[in-house]
Amino acid sequence: GENVEQHPSTLSVQEGDSAVIKCTYSDSASNYFPWYKQELGKGPQLIIDIRSNVGEKKDQRIAVTLNKTAKHFSLHITETQPEDSAVYFCAASRGRDSSYKLIFGSGTRLLVRP
Amino acid sequence: DVKVTQSSRYLVKRTGEKVFLECVQDMDHENMFWYRQDPGLGLRLIYFSYDVKMKEKGDIPEGYSVSREKKERFSLILESASTNQTSMYLCASSLAGIGNTIYFGEGSWLTVV
Repeated sequence: GENVEQHPSTLSVQEGDSAVIKCTYSDSASNYFPWYKQELGKGPQLIIDIRSNVGEKKDQRIAVTLNKTAKHFSLHITETQPEDSAVYFCAASRGRDSSYKLIFGSGTRLLVRP
Repeated sequence: DVKVTQSSRYLVKRTGEKVFLECVQDMDHENMFWYRQDPGLGLRLIYFSYDVKMKEKGDIPEGYSVSREKKERFSLILESASTNQTSMYLCASSLAGIGNTIYFGEGSWLTVV
C-alpha cells in the first residue's frame, strides 16, 4: 500500500546549525506534501507545504524541496533555534487531488542544543 | 484563529467500556478527521467525515465508530475499549477542496487498563 518513510527518527543539532529531514513516498500520483511541527503537549501544526508543480518553497528559515522523479522531499531548517525543538512530520496526499487524505511519516524528533 | 477543541485531554478507562471522544471546530469546516498517534508510527487515519452524517473509513477503523450529527462536532466511539487502543487521539478539520490546511486539536490521551 501507499506509505511515507521519514528519516532520521531523531536529530540533534547545535543552535545555529542547519537541520535536514528527508521523506520518500510511494504513490506517484501524490501531489501535495505538507510538513507539520508538533510541540510537546500540543497537536501538529502546519509549517510549510509544497505542491508537485513546484520544486522548492521557502519561508524565512524553513524550506522544502521536492524531487518528483525520485519521489522524495526534504525539510531544511537553517539557523536553528532552541524553539525549533519539536517532532516534525512529513505527509503526502493519497493520489491526485486528495489533499484532505494524508499519509504521514513516522516523525523526526529534533533537538536543538543551546 | 481556527480552533479544534477536544473536550477530554486525559482519560483512563477499563477494558470493555464504551468510550466517547468529542471534538468541536469553530471554523465551519466541511472535513473532520480522527487520527491515532503512536510512537514510531506517525499519525494514522481512523475515520474521515466530509459532511454531516457522512463518513469514510481510514486506515485503521477496526474497533472504532464515529458520529457527525452537526457540522461542528465529530465524535469517536470505542464500542468496547481494549488495551491496544491505549494511544493519543487527534481530531482535525479542514475546508473542503484541494490543498486546504488541516488543523489539529491538542489531542486526547487515552489509557485503557
